[in-house]
Amino acid sequence: DAGVIQSPRHEVTEMGQEVTLRCKPISGHNSLFWYRQTMMRGLELLIYFNNNVPIDDSGMPEDRFSAKMPNASFSTLKIQPSEPRDSAVYFCASSSQYGYTFGSGTRLTVV
Amino acid sequence: GESVGLHLPTLSVQEGDNSIINCAYSNSASDYFIWYKQESGKGPQFIIDIRSNMDKRQGQRVTVLLNKTVKHLSLQIAATQPGDSAVYFCAENLYNQGGKLIFGQGTELSVKP
Repeated sequence: DAGVIQSPRHEVTEMGQEVTLRCKPISGHNSLFWYRQTMMRGLELLIYFNNNVPIDDSGMPEDRFSAKMPNASFSTLKIQPSEPRDSAVYFCASSSQYGYTFGSGTRLTVV
Repeated sequence: GESVGLHLPTLSVQEGDNSIINCAYSNSASDYFIWYKQESGKGPQFIIDIRSNMDKRQGQRVTVLLNKTVKHLSLQIAATQPGDSAVYFCAENLYNQGGKLIFGQGTELSVKP
């Protein structure tokens, strides 16, 4: 089992550009979560899906952020347009009844 | 409101000593807690969990204690090793909200050889 796979591992982009982060959950896990981690705010839940359906997006900071899960094996988090304050590590996690597994994260830097 | 927080942001211990990391929570309805370890450049990794119908749970070198009276959670690491150096988070699993995790701020554990 390869675990939760996120890409890219690192992303550096200019302010105003569109950024797309990708996640492949563990096969068989029915829930998927997107978290953001910063020094100031710690780990924050942005959005989560259950059986590919968005359940709670109350953590999404602004309309610039959007997330999709077109099928059980893929999800994206998009930021358009990106801003320097979006710089953070973004984690994807998937879960089953047996627990959570986190990916290694995408470190986003917006300059 | 709901919040999960840690008492100490940093903890430095000598190799071989026991470590205790503390966590307070405010939602008395919380019924499931998890401790995670996060090493540099990696995602949080599950260590141990505990349900509210338990006071104590033991794993390999780790013990979690739950005091529901004062809404306090602790993680004890026995015979701390350099490989234990990491940031430790407690998290509240909100089953009544779809199983999402609410994390505390984290404690950085540094093990001196």
